[in-house]
Amino acid sequence: AQSVSQHNHHVILSEAASLELGCNYSYGGTVNLFWYVQYPGQHLQLLLKYFSGDPLVKGIKGFEAEFIKSKFSFNLRKPSVQWSDTAEYFCAVNALSGGGADGLTFGKGTHLIIQP
Amino acid sequence: ETGVTQSPTHLIKTRGQQVTLRCSSQSGHNTVSWYQQALGQGPQFIFQYYREEENGRGNFPPRFSGLQFPNYSSELNVNALELDDSALYLCASSQGLGDYGYTFGSGTRLTVV
Repeated sequence: AQSVSQHNHHVILSEAASLELGCNYSYGGTVNLFWYVQYPGQHLQLLLKYFSGDPLVKGIKGFEAEFIKSKFSFNLRKPSVQWSDTAEYFCAVNALSGGGADGLTFGKGTHLIIQP
Repeated sequence: ETGVTQSPTHLIKTRGQQVTLRCSSQSGHNTVSWYQQALGQGPQFIFQYYREEENGRGNFPPRFSGLQFPNYSSELNVNALELDDSALYLCASSQGLGDYGYTFGSGTRLTVV
């Protein structure tokens, strides 16, 4: 079974700082990769996804992520964060060998706080 | 297009009771999956329905069961509730088996006392 590890559980940054959140997964086969964001009191929203092709994917609100297959990593980045980026961020994996029947496997999340 | 809607938003049940949670999938989506999110944790996959049949299940006991209806809406049923079942239950829909990504609802907050 696949698993997802998010290295930072809590991150505090100042506005305009650069952001990188780490995500590693363990699964030997083909995967789809996702980053979701959960703003306070709101539902999970898709930030970006990787299915195939260019390993550098761009998402909403200036976020991007790079898939490095050799490192089983899918780190999330943003060059300059804003106070409104304060939220919980989840990395998730969908293993394709089971025909997608395993659903999404999530990491434990990273709580990001941006200080004005 | 309408998103994923879940009902009720909050629920309080007593240990040993049974509960049914409901989910309406996003228009055009034929796959529904359910997740349990405990406080401070990431969502955990319970099971998935594709075209009215369960086609994937996570590590949850049989007292967690579900249904998907012809209009692709879904129910999650939990029997013999335990205190540890207290969590946010999330429904997600997708077009096919996740190849196009998943859209999540706002969840049902279940408290078992």
